[in-house]
Amino acid sequence: GQNIDQPTEMTATEGAIVQINCTYQTSGFNGLFWYQQHAGEAPTFLSYNVLDGLEEKGRFSSFLSRSKGYSYLLLKELQMKDSASYLCAVIDSNYQLIWGAGTKLIIKP
Amino acid sequence: GAVVSQHPSRVICKSGTSVKIECRSLDFQATTMFWYRQFPKKSLMLMATSNEGSKATYEQGVEKDKFLINHASLTLSTLTVTSAHPEDSSFYICSARNRDTEAFFGQGTRLTVV
Repeated sequence: GQNIDQPTEMTATEGAIVQINCTYQTSGFNGLFWYQQHAGEAPTFLSYNVLDGLEEKGRFSSFLSRSKGYSYLLLKELQMKDSASYLCAVIDSNYQLIWGAGTKLIIKP
Repeated sequence: GAVVSQHPSRVICKSGTSVKIECRSLDFQATTMFWYRQFPKKSLMLMATSNEGSKATYEQGVEKDKFLINHASLTLSTLTVTSAHPEDSSFYICSARNRDTEAFFGQGTRLTVV
């Protein structure tokens, strides 16, 4: 079966760094997305990785290792507004999006 | 970035009536559109995938006759919840993309059936 695992909840301090991990087992791979979702809102795009390595975009970075079926989202200089759920999603060989359950990130002052 | 517009954002309807939700890609042609449902504190659940001009592919457990999906053009897909019941109350989200692009999401529709 297809499976994406990410932690259910994480807590971090304002100004700190947090890494949210995602491991996947899917039928084929055509890219991995990270989305941010605030409660009651639709997800918003953060990053897309299809090749191994680190993609940096401001305070957010995303890393991919296809051989390990592993990705992480790194958030630096955390702000209170970063409190949200972070969803990992993989495009499989049929170009279907397979979603993780999301990681609820709680930022404390 | 690309924009997907979903309408309405909120709707309240009486039990037994039907509700139509529209999903439009405003500045790109969406060969594929997805409809998701999200339950409280849970991830997005894919309901169906629709390719322009063809019938939607429904996920297991999703009733085709209850959740009617039409993808008549490259910029518009609609989801109609027929004979809605309170258990259909949920947050419905569409996304649209071309084959090689990320999925762009609509704003979501909060459906409340009373």
